[in-house]
Amino acid sequence: AAGVIQSPRHLIKEKRETATLKCYPIPRHDTVYWYQQGPGQDPQFLISFYEKMQSDKGSIPDRFSAQQFSDYHSELNMSSLELGDSALYFCASSLEEGNEQFFGPGTRLTVL
Amino acid sequence: AQRVTQPEKLLSVFKGAPVELKCNYSYSGSPELFWYVQYSRQRLQLLLRHISRESIKGFTADLNKGETSFHLKKPFAQEEDSAMYYCASPRGSSNTGKLIFGQGTTLQVKP
Repeated sequence: AAGVIQSPRHLIKEKRETATLKCYPIPRHDTVYWYQQGPGQDPQFLISFYEKMQSDKGSIPDRFSAQQFSDYHSELNMSSLELGDSALYFCASSLEEGNEQFFGPGTRLTVL
Repeated sequence: AQRVTQPEKLLSVFKGAPVELKCNYSYSGSPELFWYVQYSRQRLQLLLRHISRESIKGFTADLNKGETSFHLKKPFAQEEDSAMYYCASPRGSSNTGKLIFGQGTTLQVKP
């Protein structure tokens, strides 16, 4: 069965650069969640989308923005990268809000 | 504030020993709790949800409202159970399903 796809799997950037992370949900899933997991920490909710509209927002810096496109894939744009942005970024999808979330493998971002 | 707490960062047991991974929650209203597992180099996967009351891979978890706990148990640990376990709840300030995770517990099952 198709799972959630994230690309790239690994990304290395310099400080102050920009990064774009992509998430492709399971077919027919209309909800996407983004989480950030720092080294040795639990995943923290960043932002979510339902039917292409932002539905909830967590502790996401103003330097980050995200959107969900007409094909339901989502992109997380991160600008002016800082060392502290180095983390594993998970995307999860579900069929409607509140239902079981299926996680992608994550994108490991390293900021040098 | 709504919180999910896992007091142990690491739990190390021998194969065949019983396992109990602790999870406590603190919020009002009807709790909804999950256990997620992350095997080495794999993605997070849902293991159990409290409403289903099922047993997956020999694991069970009972919601104890009096103790506000949702501990994960298995009577006989196997080496393949070694993984990171997260207790999580979708109960945030909204009903959008965002998950609040505990700090995670690494289960190490020794041969």
